[in-house]
Amino acid sequence: NAGVTQTPKFQVLKTGQSMTLQCAQDMNHEYMSWYRQDPGMGLRLIHYSVGAGITDQGEVPNGYNVSRSTTEDFPLRLLSAAPSQTSVYFCASSWGLVGHTEAFFGQGTRLTVV
Amino acid sequence: GQQVMQIPQYQHVQEGEDFTTYCNSSTTLSNIQWYKQRPGGHPVFLIQLVKSGEVKKQKRLTFQFGEAKKNSSLHITATQTTDVGTYFCAGGGGSQGNLIFGKGTKLSVKP
Repeated sequence: NAGVTQTPKFQVLKTGQSMTLQCAQDMNHEYMSWYRQDPGMGLRLIHYSVGAGITDQGEVPNGYNVSRSTTEDFPLRLLSAAPSQTSVYFCASSWGLVGHTEAFFGQGTRLTVV
Repeated sequence: GQQVMQIPQYQHVQEGEDFTTYCNSSTTLSNIQWYKQRPGGHPVFLIQLVKSGEVKKQKRLTFQFGEAKKNSSLHITATQTTDVGTYFCAGGGGSQGNLIFGKGTKLSVKP
């Protein structure tokens, strides 16, 4: 079972560049989320989706866009990368509302913006 | 907004000693989840507590949910080197129906 798959695992960007972090799950989960993890800050919610075609902002959405065209995929787009976006990004999925059911996390993408 | 505070931030123990991490919320939680993240890894679900005063055990790990559903704890008895990692609590039922994570407790175990 693949579970939640994130690509790439590592990425270095220059300030101002754009890129898309990919996330795919094969568990037919309706709920998917993106978090960023910074040292000493825990995990902070960026964007989330409760189903295909439905997305909403989390705690720290600025500088990021998402879309959900299929149940399986939930890409995260950085429009113009900034050093403050250097972080580890985790995608998560769950079968129910994520605050009430187990969340399955991907392996993470370690992003450095120089 | 809703906040989940977790203490201590770091804990260093000798193998065989016990370990406890505490979690406190500014508001009443619908449930609380606990996750473990190994160094360089991703968070992995451990357990969810839903009922007021609930206590659950997983081998050497004991999880408690407070009577007021505002606090929780994770206690590990007789730590082992395999317990190394960061333990996160996460409060459920936030304003967006999502998890609100504490900042985690990083546990190191000296053999």
